Amino acid sequence: DAGVIQSPRHEVTEMGQEVTLRCKPISGHDYLFWYRQTMMRGLELLIYFNNNVPIDDSGMPEDRFSAKMPNASFSTLKIQPSEPRDSAVYFCASSGPGDSYEQYFGPGTRLTVT
Amino acid sequence: DAKTTQPPSMDCAEGRAANLPCNHSTISGNEYVYWYRQIHSQGPQYIIHGLKNNETNEMASLIITEDRKSSTLILPHATLRDTAVYYCIVDYGQNFVFGPGTRLSVLP
Repeated sequence: DAGVIQSPRHEVTEMGQEVTLRCKPISGHDYLFWYRQTMMRGLELLIYFNNNVPIDDSGMPEDRFSAKMPNASFSTLKIQPSEPRDSAVYFCASSGPGDSYEQYFGPGTRLTVT
Repeated sequence: DAKTTQPPSMDCAEGRAANLPCNHSTISGNEYVYWYRQIHSQGPQYIIHGLKNNETNEMASLIITEDRKSSTLILPHATLRDTAVYYCIVDYGQNFVFGPGTRLSVLP
């Protein structure tokens, strides 16, 4: 398996623009997680899905952030409008099937908002 | 907030055992102890987890005290490639809260 795939790997955008980050989990995994990492706040869980259903989105910072999982092999994290403070590395991870405790992380998307 | 406390940094000589401590004094009965590590610029990598008993796999050993209020991750023969930030996490599910971790530097 190719592991968790994220795209793009790097994104530079201007403040106010819409940003969409993409993730393909490992085939057969039924949990998908979105994390954000910054120097100031460390690694934070934003939202996670089980069987394509959002389970806990309490980590989503505000309404500008939204995440979807239309099927078992694809998820998006969207920021609209983007702000400079959204600059971070965004990781997607997957695990499963069932309550497997090993989360596999993707390589991350480094987002820079100018 | 993270439920664990770890030293911010440690050094270890190459080839020696690295012992990374973690305090989790408020752990509840159904919570597991997980260890992950993050090598510079990469996504975190799972190392090991345990509930009560000591655990060992090909990467490391996990020693959990009898009262479960602390644990130690042991890398038996550290190499330069083990230089990373090591995270200790306590949780009963998958809603992980990562603290700042311990930055381990393996020195030649």
